[in-house]
Amino acid sequence: EDQVTQSPEALRLQEGESSSLNCSYTVSGLRGLFWYRQDPGKGPEFLFTLYSAGEEKEKERLKATLTKKESFLHITAPKPEDSATYLCAVYMKGAGNKLTFGGGTRVLVKP
Amino acid sequence: DTEVTQTPKHLVMGMTNKKSLKCEQHMGHRAMYWYKQKAKKPPELMFVYSYEKLSINESVPSRFSPECPNSSLLNLHLHALQPEDSALYLCASSQDLAGNYGYTFGSGTRLTVV
Repeated sequence: EDQVTQSPEALRLQEGESSSLNCSYTVSGLRGLFWYRQDPGKGPEFLFTLYSAGEEKEKERLKATLTKKESFLHITAPKPEDSATYLCAVYMKGAGNKLTFGGGTRVLVKP
Repeated sequence: DTEVTQTPKHLVMGMTNKKSLKCEQHMGHRAMYWYKQKAKKPPELMFVYSYEKLSINESVPSRFSPECPNSSLLNLHLHALQPEDSALYLCASSQDLAGNYGYTFGSGTRLTVV
């Protein structure tokens, strides 16, 4: 069965304390893995798409990496405004434009 | 224009009411989606429209009725909802095949059924 699992469920960080979020997947025919940021009561905001193992993408304090079994979202020297829920989602072959989401990681960065 | 616009932002409706949620995008995307999201849960897919035709219905109850009048608009008609249908309803769009810009989500409609 195709699954996407994110860990940890919640993460409390001090400002400047770097950390990593994990998204592991057991899917057949991965076509793409997406990272989104979601603030409370808002829609997900696109961050990155990764397509193949070894690929990396960066945006400000965020860096996403992909292996054959998992993806990491590294947050370097986070600031309070990085507090949000981070969602990963996979897009699979034959899925008909369907994204499968993980459960999300709620990140709280304290000043 | 790189946005997906959803209206209304908030909606309170009774169980006997009929209402509609609206979604609009002008990015030329040919796939549009409805997702339902409960608190502290990830979005769950409800419907997918591809080139204005319904391509996926995730076994959604018939009290939810989607409509795609044209390539820029997506509606979700609501009738005889239950309190457990209260949630954030998200619209999204994408290019025909998932590309580097992923899926663009709207800000959602917060629906409360009383």
